[in-house]
Amino acid sequence: EVQLVQSGAGVKKPGESLKISCKSSGYSLTSYWIGWVRQMPGKGLEWMGIIYPGDSDTRYSPSFQGQVTISADKSISIVYLQWSSLKASDTAMYYCARWSGGPPSSGWGNFDYWGQGTLVTVSS
Amino acid sequence: QSVLTQPPSVSAAPGQKVTISCSGGSSNIGNNYVSWYQQLPGTAPKLLIYDNNKRPSGIPDRFSGSKSGTSATLGITGLQTGDEADYYCGTWDSSLSALFGGGTKLTVL
Repeated sequence: EVQLVQSGAGVKKPGESLKISCKSSGYSLTSYWIGWVRQMPGKGLEWMGIIYPGDSDTRYSPSFQGQVTISADKSISIVYLQWSSLKASDTAMYYCARWSGGPPSSGWGNFDYWGQGTLVTVSS
Repeated sequence: QSVLTQPPSVSAAPGQKVTISCSGGSSNIGNNYVSWYQQLPGTAPKLLIYDNNKRPSGIPDRFSGSKSGTSATLGITGLQTGDEADYYCGTWDSSLSALFGGGTKLTVL
């Protein structure tokens, strides 16, 4: 059974750093891209970026480029999303999701499995 | 404001049919596949339709998808109260970004 299990909720202060994780099981991590999606309170889904754990090829949405870092440790089947300096506006639910299909730039694919979400709250 | 435009809300009575539209452009829907996601209250999104009109295993045939030009449509027949959720369309864009629509809240009256 394919599962993506995310790390627990966190409360941080502005300026602090944070790294959240997404652990995959039930399939070969190095065969699929994993993406991150933000959902701010009461708002819709926003794609942040995507990584291919097999070779760490990473693509970012222009809106999130330079704001976050996506990385992977394929030896333990975990993909990470990290911030070096959080802002209050980073308060949101963050989902990881598996991309199934061709390479993202091929235009063919979808997010077929999703993690349960990690709630990040940034408040002074 | 999302590049993919969806109506903010739709509603219909139990047993009825509803459609949700997703309008984009030639750089996204016009040249790429569309998927649809259902997000029940307080839960993670779930894949409902992929490759414009295919259903993953376990998704009932009450849900259907179609695409024409730069627009896509999700159809739901035999509405149930359990279908109340937010629905999002998704696709890829030539700017090398994945896109989601703004979401549509379905109310089953």
